[in-house]
Amino acid sequence: TQLLEQSPQFLSIQEGENLTVYCNSSSVFSSLQWYRQEPGEGPVLLVTVVTGGEVKKLKRLTFQFGDARKDSSLHITAAQTGDTGLYLCADNDYKLSFGAGTTVTVRA
Amino acid sequence: EAQVTQNPRYLITVTGKKLTVTCSQNMNHEYMSWYRQDPGLGLRQIYYSMNVEVTDKGDVPEGYKVSRKEKRNFPLILESPSPNQTSLYFCASSSGQGSYEQYFGPGTRLTVT
Repeated sequence: TQLLEQSPQFLSIQEGENLTVYCNSSSVFSSLQWYRQEPGEGPVLLVTVVTGGEVKKLKRLTFQFGDARKDSSLHITAAQTGDTGLYLCADNDYKLSFGAGTTVTVRA
Repeated sequence: EAQVTQNPRYLITVTGKKLTVTCSQNMNHEYMSWYRQDPGLGLRQIYYSMNVEVTDKGDVPEGYKVSRKEKRNFPLILESPSPNQTSLYFCASSSGQGSYEQYFGPGTRLTVT
């Protein structure tokens, strides 16, 4: 069974600061997805990465996929209060396996 | 509007009283699944279905049943709920497995006393 570890578990920062969250796997990812979940809602897909070394940008969010496809990071530049939420990484193989998530709080 | 709907959104019940949580999607997706979310454990898959009449166990299937008689519906059945099934439940659908985007419903918060 694949284990996905996310760190840190909790992160609280001031608006305007940068942050990075990490996702590590015990085995190679088939394809890696990042989701964001806001309170009272279901997760929403942010990005899918497939190729080792891949970097994708989504406005202020930068996603990196490790060369060996066993780790990934999500970097947010100049965080805003709207970035508050639970960030989940997932391996989308024949079934979706999630990490426990990083709870990000951006203070005004 | 493309969406996954779940009902009810909140449910408080007692041990042993059978219940069903409904899930419906309007995107003609073949793949549907159920997850439970518990603090510190993330989302864990209960059951999934690759198409009508095709279902399979996920990571935590004990105590749950599902059926897929129609493409759009995928109900979750708890025949005899127990307190350890108190959790937040999500239904999801997608066009297929692999790198497809999963669309999640809004969640059902279940409390079993």
